[in-house]
This record gives sequence, C-alpha cells and structure tokens, in this order.
Amino acid sequence: KAGVTQTPRYLIKTRGQQVTLSCSPISGHRSVSWYQQTPGQGLQFLFEYFSETQRNKGNFPGRFSGRQFSNSRSEMNVSTLELGDSALYLCASREQGANTGELFFGEGSRLTVL
Amino acid sequence: AQSVTQPDIHITVSEGASLELRCNYSYGATPYLFWYVQSPGQGLQLLLKYFSGDTLVQGIKGFEAEFKRSQSSFNLRKPSVHWSDAAEYFCAVGAQGGGGNKLTFGTGTQLKVEL
Repeated sequence: KAGVTQTPRYLIKTRGQQVTLSCSPISGHRSVSWYQQTPGQGLQFLFEYFSETQRNKGNFPGRFSGRQFSNSRSEMNVSTLELGDSALYLCASREQGANTGELFFGEGSRLTVL
Repeated sequence: AQSVTQPDIHITVSEGASLELRCNYSYGATPYLFWYVQSPGQGLQLLLKYFSGDTLVQGIKGFEAEFKRSQSSFNLRKPSVHWSDAAEYFCAVGAQGGGGNKLTFGTGTQLKVEL
C-alpha cells in the first residue's frame, strides 16, 4: 500500500497570498488530520476530517481551513499568509474504526512565507 | 486538557550505549501513548504505542517503552543505540473515545549518536 502522500513538498509564498496543500491518505483510510510543525511551537493539531465532515478543530485562526472529498483526499488552505505561517504541514490518516489515535503521517509540505 | 512533557531537548549518546528518553503526560483517564521518530526532512514514523494491557511495549527498531501510571510516564528505551537512530523523537498522548484521533505531542528530544 502506498503511504500518505502530500503535495507539494516545498513551496514559497509571500505575505498576503494564500496556499492550498493536498493530502492523499492511505487507501481505505477515511480519517485525515492536519498538523503544523514549527521550531517554536512544535507539533500542533489543526483539524481532523472523517467522511467529508470536520470532527475536531485545533486552536488556529479562521485563516486556516480544510476540506475532505468523497475519495478521502483532503486539502487545507491558508489565506492571507503571515510570516509565522512558515512551517512544515503534516497530514496523517488512520483506519476507519481504529479509534485508538494511531496515525500514519506523510512527509509533509514545507511552506516558507517571505 | 492533555499535555506531554519531554524534559530533555537534546541527548547525546555513544553508539552501542543504552538510551532512555523521558516522557511525562497529563491526562484525566487512561491515555493512549505513542512514540514517534522523525528524521530530517521527513514525516513521523510510529515506533510503538500503548493502549492497555502489558505496560512494557515493544516497538520497531529494537525500541521499547514502559507505561507507569503512578509516575505518569512513558519512557522510551533501547539497550544499544545505532548511529542510524540519530533523529528527533516525539512522545504523544491521544484521547480515548471520540477524540481519539487528536494527538498532543511533546516538544521532542533530539538524539545525537557519537561514533
């Protein structure tokens, strides 16, 4: 089975722009979560989607949004980018019914905001 | 709210030496506990997990961890470290039940292995 795939792997944006990141979960996984990783704040939970519905949301401003499609692929969007949004954005998926928190992570999308 | 503390930001060990990485958690009920490893530029790989049962859990790459409820700890150990173990290690706690997919991570421990 292929792992969690995230695109793009690297991108550079300027302040005020918006960005969309994509995540394809492991085949058969219907839950997708997003995490932001920065040197200062560490790994922080953004949101979780299951069957196209947002189930959990972390403590991030409304500029951060996401969605999930019927094929379980997910996208996250950050609007009006700020310098502090520079981070590694990690997507993770888990098996349906595996309500044990075990997540499988992708390699991340590294966003640099100039 | 759940939280995780990894008191050691950096640890350096010699190849072949034993390793213990500390993790303390705060959670109101029985937690799900995980150790993940991250190599530079990579995502997170699960080393091992604890849900219930035997408090000593075995993971991949020769790692093990012991859940101690009385100390709210879940320390990671390896009897003999290899140079390829150099990476950053994260302890995480997950909530049981409906919130089971949200993990709270510690700040990580950077492991350096001296040859």
